[in-house]
Amino acid sequence: DIVMTQSPLSLPVTPGEPASISCRSSHSLLHSNGFNYLHWYLQKPGQSPQLLIYLGSDRASGVPDRFSGSGSGTDFTLKISRVEAGDVGVYYCMQSLETPPTFGGGTKVEIK
Amino acid sequence: QVRLQESGPGLVKPSGTLSLTCVVSDGSVSSSNWWSWVRQSPGKGLEWIGEIYHTGSTNYNPSLKSRVTISLDKSKNQFSLRLSSVTAADTAVYYCARRLILTGYNKGEWFDPWGQGTLVTVSS
Repeated sequence: DIVMTQSPLSLPVTPGEPASISCRSSHSLLHSNGFNYLHWYLQKPGQSPQLLIYLGSDRASGVPDRFSGSGSGTDFTLKISRVEAGDVGVYYCMQSLETPPTFGGGTKVEIK
Repeated sequence: QVRLQESGPGLVKPSGTLSLTCVVSDGSVSSSNWWSWVRQSPGKGLEWIGEIYHTGSTNYNPSLKSRVTISLDKSKNQFSLRLSSVTAADTAVYYCARRLILTGYNKGEWFDPWGQGTLVTVSS
């Protein structure tokens, strides 16, 4: 299985400041079609995960443009340009290049 | 906006069979998506269990394949999960989710949306 590794495990942030989460895969997620099969989710406290970014950099419907995804191959980054209080929760990356799809261990974002 | 809702027993005895159903609203299980089950436990994080397509085709996580069956009921617009020979290690929150495909391909990719999840505890 492809192993997904996220860092940091915990990220205290100040509202209005930027934040960045890293995700690394054990195998390149770049398909021959040019897409990176890497997706980002946010699980807010007490809720189910919600899609933020798909195919590395495409924002899901309704996701603010404060969120952006970048990277290719094995190294990916989720950036929040200006953190808001409602952005707290656990962020997960996930690969779908190979079956089974696998998730990172999560990065917990909390307000300082 | 498609919505998914899981239901089923919250307590299952060891060696028994876990059975859950996911009802799809404002969408159809006959559409060109994969319908998936994912579970979340403190010990193993998020783990994909398997999925079913509207044709009835299924894919399962090899780590669970021998114990898992996913089925589809188009008349009720729902799909179901059965996990046999459960142990305490199967205690988790179980989510159903729609898995979208990339245009031009048939393989499931990202999950959206997810159901609210249901906690299943395996205990005598």
